[in-house]
Amino acid sequence: GAVVSQHPSRVICKSGTSVKIECRSLDFQATTMFWYRQFPKQSLMLMATSNEGSKATYEQGVEKDKFLINHASLTLSTLTVTSAHPEDSSFYICSASRGGYNEQFFGPGTRLTVL
Amino acid sequence: QKEVEQNSGPLSVPEGAIASLNCTYSDRGSQSFFWYRQYSGKSPELIMFIYSNGDKEDGRFTAQLNKASQYVSLLIRDSQPSDSATYLCAVKQSSASKIIFGSGTRLSIRP
Repeated sequence: GAVVSQHPSRVICKSGTSVKIECRSLDFQATTMFWYRQFPKQSLMLMATSNEGSKATYEQGVEKDKFLINHASLTLSTLTVTSAHPEDSSFYICSASRGGYNEQFFGPGTRLTVL
Repeated sequence: QKEVEQNSGPLSVPEGAIASLNCTYSDRGSQSFFWYRQYSGKSPELIMFIYSNGDKEDGRFTAQLNKASQYVSLLIRDSQPSDSATYLCAVKQSSASKIIFGSGTRLSIRP
């Protein structure tokens, strides 16, 4: 149980385009989902926390207009990187937690390369 | 002071030995503690969680929690080369939904 999927696993795009990443909880209802970014050989950086049906809470320094997060249902959250630039190239990972439980379960991640 | 601190390593342990990974945290209100394993290029995977003082064992893994000392550790018995990875300590306050991660300890098991 507690499986989280992400799509796509890898994406290459041109500078200036927008990229949408999907995160799904496959066998449980995710009351809260989290989006992280990780640069090579660095630690996880939390970008935002989202609860189903409400606006995401962004961490300090994360541009909410650039990283659009939608948590439309209890099993789906999306992250859209708008007008992507090479510096946005990174490993984006979502995680999800169930109501009443403390653990977070991670998706497999999406590797974004912006040319 | 970082909220969750770990030695970055690398920690090199011979195969078959016990690997000991340590973590300290700053917020005394923390209630839940987690250890995640992350292989290079992959996302983190939950190994263990612990909520109460003392030891919690699961197979070759033992998590130890000492709230008075604000200290969490993970012991890996009979270390295998496949245990080579970065281990992330994570801490959650009872009132918060997010988990605070340490920067991780890189563990290398040498054959």
